[in-house]
Amino acid sequence: AQSVTQLDSQVPVFEEAPVELRCNYSSSVSVYLFWYVQYPNQGLQLLLKYLSGSTLVKGINGFEAEFNKSQTSFHLRKPSVHISDTAEYFCAVSIIQGAQKLVFGQGTRLTINP
Amino acid sequence: GAGVSQSPSNKVTEKGKDVELRCDPISGHTALYWYRQSLGQGLEFLIYFQGNSAPDKSGLPSDRFSAERTGGSVSTLTIQRTQQEDSAVYLCASSLEGSSSYEQYFGPGTRLTVT
Repeated sequence: AQSVTQLDSQVPVFEEAPVELRCNYSSSVSVYLFWYVQYPNQGLQLLLKYLSGSTLVKGINGFEAEFNKSQTSFHLRKPSVHISDTAEYFCAVSIIQGAQKLVFGQGTRLTINP
Repeated sequence: GAGVSQSPSNKVTEKGKDVELRCDPISGHTALYWYRQSLGQGLEFLIYFQGNSAPDKSGLPSDRFSAERTGGSVSTLTIQRTQQEDSAVYLCASSLEGSSSYEQYFGPGTRLTVT
């Protein structure tokens, strides 16, 4: 079975500051990794994903994440946040073989203060 | 093009009643997923449909929950004899199996409140 741990339930930061949202996973088989964002009263939107290749992946809205296999981590970063980045962020994994059902972390609520 | 749509957007029901939630996936998407988002449990997988294969029902929390997908398109999630713990946002997602993107596209969800 797979599990995902997002180490921070809430992260407050000031506008234009950098941010890192932490994600660790556990799996006995190889997985794909994803970050989804949920803006208030909206559905989930894919930010970025790691399938293979370069461990540094870039996504939409200036976000990037780095896959670290030895530490089983997939932390999300942005060098300078904006008010519009206020949302809930979910890290997720799916196994490579078979059904692509997602296993999600508990989410991190990112609040940007002016 | 049109995204995943779900109806109703909100549903309030009395404990013990049955409810049906509908999902219209993106046209041509062969895979369809149901998830549940609740305060206590976070985002949980419920059920997965892929083409003509038997659905993966491993996430359904009890036998009060069932789902079907007609004609490889629209899906209905049915909850019988609803309980207060069924209150949650039910999310549907679809994807194109066999593509290299592995991206699931989510609908806006149905917020179910059981009183």
